[in-house]
This record gives sequence, structure tokens and C-alpha cells, in this order.
Amino acid sequence: KAGVTQTPRYLIKTRGQQVTLSCSPISGHRSVSWYQQTPGQGLQFLFEYFSETQRNKGNFPGRFSGRQFSNSRSEMNVSTLELGDSALYLCASSMGQGSYEQYFGPGTRLTVT
Amino acid sequence: AQSVTQLGSHVSVSEGALVLLRCNYSSSVPPYLFWYVQYPNQGLQLLLKYTTGATLVKGINGFEAEFKKSETSFHLTKPSAHMSDAAEYFCAVSAREYGNKLVFGAGTILRVKS
Repeated sequence: KAGVTQTPRYLIKTRGQQVTLSCSPISGHRSVSWYQQTPGQGLQFLFEYFSETQRNKGNFPGRFSGRQFSNSRSEMNVSTLELGDSALYLCASSMGQGSYEQYFGPGTRLTVT
Repeated sequence: AQSVTQLGSHVSVSEGALVLLRCNYSSSVPPYLFWYVQYPNQGLQLLLKYTTGATLVKGINGFEAEFKKSETSFHLTKPSAHMSDAAEYFCAVSAREYGNKLVFGAGTILRVKS
């Protein structure tokens, strides 16, 4: 089976712009979670989608949003980018919740200038 | 609420020596515990997990971890370090009540000396 794929792998944006990141989960997985990784804050949970519904949300401002499509692919959007949004954004997919393994993609490296 | 503390942001061992990476957790409900490894410019790879049952869990690449409820610990060990084990390791906790939300520790960078 193909692993979790994320596009693009690298992105450079300017303050104030918006960005959309994409994640394709492992075939058959219906849960997609997003995480932000920064040197200062470490790995932080953004949100989780299951069957096109947001099931859980982390403590991030409303500028961060996401959605999931019927084929389980997910997108994450960040509007009005700030310098502090520079990070590695990781997507993880899982068959279900809780005790199921979560498989991570390679991430999208976002740099905001 | 849940939290994870990883003791030691950097650990250095010689090739062939025991690897011990420490993880303590806090959880108000029965936890699920995970260890992930991250190589430079890559995502996270699951090493092992504890959900229920046997408290000694074996994972990939010769790693294992033991869940000790009384000590709220889930330390990661490997009997003999290999150069390819050099990476950053993350301990994480979740629970059935929190769905798939993983709470991660700050990470431990493992250096293996030849």
C-alpha cells in the first residue's frame, strides 16, 4: 500500500497570504489528523477529520481550517499568514480512533517571509 | 488532560551500548502510549504502541518499551545501539476519550558514537 502523501513538500509564502496544504491518506483510512511541528512549540495537534466531519480540534486560531473530501483526502488552509506559522505541517492517517496506529506523511515545510 | 515529559533532550551512546530513552506521562483516563522516530526531513515513523494487555511491548528495529502504571512511565529501550538509530524520538499519549489526538513530548535526539 502507498503511504500517506502530502503536497507540496516545500512552500514559501509572504505574510498576509493564504496557503492550502493537501494530504492523501493510506487507502482505506478514513481518519486524517494534522499536526504543526516547530522548534519552539514541538508537535501540536491541529484537528482531525473522519468521514468528512471534524471530530476534534486543537488550540489554534480560526485562521487554521481544514476539510475532508468523500475520498478521505484532506486539505488544510491557513489564512492571513504570520511569520510564526512557519513550520513543518504533518498529516497522519488512521483506520479508526484511539488505539489504531496513526501513519504520518513526510510533511509540508512552510516558510513565511 | 494529558501531557508527556521526556527526560533529556539529547542522549549520546556508543555503538553497541544500551539505549534508554525516558518518557513519563500524565493522563486522567487510561492512556494509549506510543513511541515515534523522526529522521531528518522526514515524517514520524511508529516504533511501537501500548493500548491494553501486555505491558512489555516490542516494536520495530529491536526497540521495546514497558508500560508501568505505578510510575506513569513508558521508557524506550534497545539492547544494542546501531549507527542507524541516530534520530529524534518522540513519546506520545492519547486516550479513547480524546479520539486520535496525540499529545507529544518534546522529543529526545539520540546520538550514536562509533
